[in-house]
Amino acid sequence: GQNIDQPTEMTATEGAIVQINCTYQTSGFNGLFWYQQHAGEAPTFLSYNVLDGLEEKGRFSSFLSRSKGYSYLLLKELQMKDSASYLCAVRDSDYKLSFGAGTTVTVRA
Amino acid sequence: IAGITQAPTSQILAAGRRMTLRCTQDMRHNAMYWYRQDLGLGLRLIHYSNTAGTTGKGEVPDGYSVSRANTDDFPLTLASAVPSQTSVYFCASSEIISGANEQFFGPGTRLTVL
Repeated sequence: GQNIDQPTEMTATEGAIVQINCTYQTSGFNGLFWYQQHAGEAPTFLSYNVLDGLEEKGRFSSFLSRSKGYSYLLLKELQMKDSASYLCAVRDSDYKLSFGAGTTVTVRA
Repeated sequence: IAGITQAPTSQILAAGRRMTLRCTQDMRHNAMYWYRQDLGLGLRLIHYSNTAGTTGKGEVPDGYSVSRANTDDFPLTLASAVPSQTSVYFCASSEIISGANEQFFGPGTRLTVL
């Protein structure tokens, strides 16, 4: 099974940078995903890491260290529309995802 | 319209009633999933299917059943609904080959059991 931890809430100012950490204990690691979910909507895919290192995609970057069971999602140049929940999910060898409880990010003007 | 559809959007149900939540995808993905999302608990996997004709149990399968008669449809049935099944239910689909192959989520069904 999977045990995935991430902070419950974070608040940041428009234009700033926020880092959301995710730690996991897993059996059969087969990739780590980050999803964004706005209130009342479905989760949407943001990023995927399977090897150690940083993956950059525009204002969003995701980092993975498999030996430490650790990932982070970095959101740069925060915009009001980035206010949402961010979900860390670990995929197992059977291609099933286990999700953390999510981190609610509030961006203030 | 490409993607995943779910029906109904929302439903209020009396305890003890039977209910089927519908999910259809048109992306020809081989894998489909049902999750429930509760405040503070995140998304939890109920049942999944890696290919038509096969299903498997997730983290919280009790009280739910699924079937996968074809590639596109993956209905979730509550045989006798209980108040603890009040939740938002999301259906998802993906390929299951190496690489990212992220899961795509439907818009969700908000279910209230009274």
